[in-house]
Amino acid sequence: DGGITQSPKYLFRKEGQNVTLSCEQNLNHDAMYWYRQDPGQGLRLIYYSQIVNDFQKGDIAEGYSVSREKKESFPLTVTSAQKNPTAFYLCASSYPGQGAFDGYTFGSGTRLTVV
Amino acid sequence: GQQVMQIPQYQHVQEGEDFTTYCNSSTTLSNIQWYKQRPGGHPVFLIQLVKSGEVKKQKRLTFQFGEAKKNSSLHITATQTTDVGTYFCAGREGGGNKLTFGTGTQLKVEL
Repeated sequence: DGGITQSPKYLFRKEGQNVTLSCEQNLNHDAMYWYRQDPGQGLRLIYYSQIVNDFQKGDIAEGYSVSREKKESFPLTVTSAQKNPTAFYLCASSYPGQGAFDGYTFGSGTRLTVV
Repeated sequence: GQQVMQIPQYQHVQEGEDFTTYCNSSTTLSNIQWYKQRPGGHPVFLIQLVKSGEVKKQKRLTFQFGEAKKNSSLHITATQTTDVGTYFCAGREGGGNKLTFGTGTQLKVEL
C-alpha cells in the first residue's frame, strides 16, 4: 500500500545535538512538507519541496535544515540552533502544480523530546 | 503573511448535539481544505472546497466556503463519539501548493 513512513516514532535528543528525522513516501508525489505541531496548537510549516533538489523555507525554518536528493525522501535535521525543539513533527506529501489541488497525505509523525 | 484562524478553540458537546467550527483567513483563498486529527494521530484529509459559496456534504458533515472565499465552516449534525478529534481548516493562496493551517478546533463528545 502507498503511504508515508516517518521514523523514528519517538526520539530523545540531548541539548546541543543535531538529530535527523526520516520521511519516505511511495506515493509518487512530487511535493513534500515538514510541519511542527506543539500541544494544543495548529501546524506550522518548517520547509517544503516541490521538486527534487529544490526546497523553500516555511514560516519557522530557523534551526532546521532539509535535503531533497530523491523524490521519495525528505529528511529533516533539527540542529542545536533550534532553541525549543520539543514537538510533534509531521511530514506530508501531495501532487504539485496549478489545478492539481489534492489533499495532503501525512505520515504518523515523530515525537521529539529534548532531555 | 497569510493567517488562518479558527473558532472556537475547544468545544464540548453531548452526544447527539450539533457542532460547528468556523475558519477565517486574512487573505482570499484559491481553495480550502479540511482535516481531522484523532487524539494521538495525524491529520487526515476530509474534503476540499474550491468555488465561491460551495457547499459539500459527507454524511453528517457539511462544509461551506464563503462567497468572498475568505471563510469556511464545518458543521456536524448529531455528533457521535467517533467525531472526537481536532478539526483543521487549511487554506491555499494562488496556484501554489503551500497550505496554511488554521489553529484547529478540538471537539470532545460526552455520552
